[in-house]
This record gives sequence, structure tokens and C-alpha cells, in this order.
Amino acid sequence: GAVVSQHPSWVICKSGTSVKIECRSLDFQATTMFWYRQFPKQSLMLMATSNEGSKATYEQGVEKDKFLINHASLTLSTLTVTSAHPEDSSFYICSAPPYRQNTEAFFGQGTRLTVV
Amino acid sequence: GENVEQHPSTLSVQEGDSAVIKCTYSDSASNYFPWYKQELGKGPQLIIDIRSNVGEKKDQRIAVTLNKTAKHFSLHITETQPEDSAVYFCAASYNAGGTSYGKLTFGQGTILTVHP
Repeated sequence: GAVVSQHPSWVICKSGTSVKIECRSLDFQATTMFWYRQFPKQSLMLMATSNEGSKATYEQGVEKDKFLINHASLTLSTLTVTSAHPEDSSFYICSAPPYRQNTEAFFGQGTRLTVV
Repeated sequence: GENVEQHPSTLSVQEGDSAVIKCTYSDSASNYFPWYKQELGKGPQLIIDIRSNVGEKKDQRIAVTLNKTAKHFSLHITETQPEDSAVYFCAASYNAGGTSYGKLTFGQGTILTVHP
């Protein structure tokens, strides 16, 4: 199957700093990517839809100024957690459906963010 | 919006037994229903999916059934093995074609434990 790679796999940062997470589709193009958040022992919640060349669409209750999304190319979307706080600690997962292939979306391996 | 309920939250079976996980959804417009397996610290992996024009789909030891009228779908795993132990998530979405496969509403998850 197609491969979606996230980087880093885990990151620890200090409160008040910003952290960037990358999501790359390695062998296909993706005009749209999705960012999910998963708290321990909980389900995945959609945060936002990343659109190549245009603004991201955020789900209700997700602060767009807190979670900056950039989808600058057909294979890369980035999520930046700005001014991180301990409550932002979570597992962040991206997914990408291959462009024009009408198939499932493929998930990255996730990024564990810990804010101390 | 869509709401997906998943039961049970935990399921413990003996190796070789069958396991059944059930989900209900609220939005009658949903037409795509994937199931994911998630191992600790990893992203979800698609194990099987079903579209609303099909009532049942099988792939070796795994099967999914869909009842559109009742708005519920189920995952069936036969001849379970210890390596099937993981967290399983159901999801639902309305797929208008192309990239919308990725915008998923997940169930709460089921922790499946298969005892040798």
C-alpha cells in the first residue's frame, strides 16, 4: 500500500515553544491531508483538513491560530503547534487519500508530543 | 454531524474463538465504513472497509457486515490469534468521491485481547 510518513515520531518540548510536525506522502500525491488528535486510550478526533495551495479547514472547537497548518506541496503538509502547553500533549496523526485514485486514506505512524 | 458508537470497549477471547465488534452511526448519508487496527504507539492500519452498496465483505479471517436500515455495522474476526490483540476502531464517512475518504468519524475503540 501507499506510504505516509510523519516526522518526528516523538518530540518533547518546553511550554511556550512551537513544534512542527511533518506529514509526507512518499509514493503518491495528495491534494488533501487530514490531521487527527488522539489522547491516551481515546479515539481519534479530526482536527482539520489540509488543502494544497489553500487554507486549511478546521473542525469546530479547534483553534486555527494554535494549530497552524500548511500544505505547500502535493506531498507535504505540516502542523505547527504554537506556544505549546502541557494540555497540548497528545498523539497527532495525519492521513492522506491518494489524489484521483478514489481509494482509502493512508495514515502516518503518528507523532507523540509531550510538552513539559 | 456524524456520531459513531462502538461496543464493547474491551473484549477478551481465547485463541481460536471468534470476536465481534459492533458500531452504530447516526448520519444516514454516510456511505463508507472502514475498520482500523491500532497497535500501541502506531498509526491506525486499515484492515477492511465496506461501502453502502454492499451488505457484507470478507477477507480471509475478517468480515464486515452492514445494515443500512438499522445504521449499524460489525466486524467479525474468526480463528483469533494472539497477534490480533490490539485496539480496533470503526469509522464512518460520507464519500462524495476522491479525497473525502479521509474525513472520518471514529468510534471509541475496542481493546481486543486474545489469550493463548
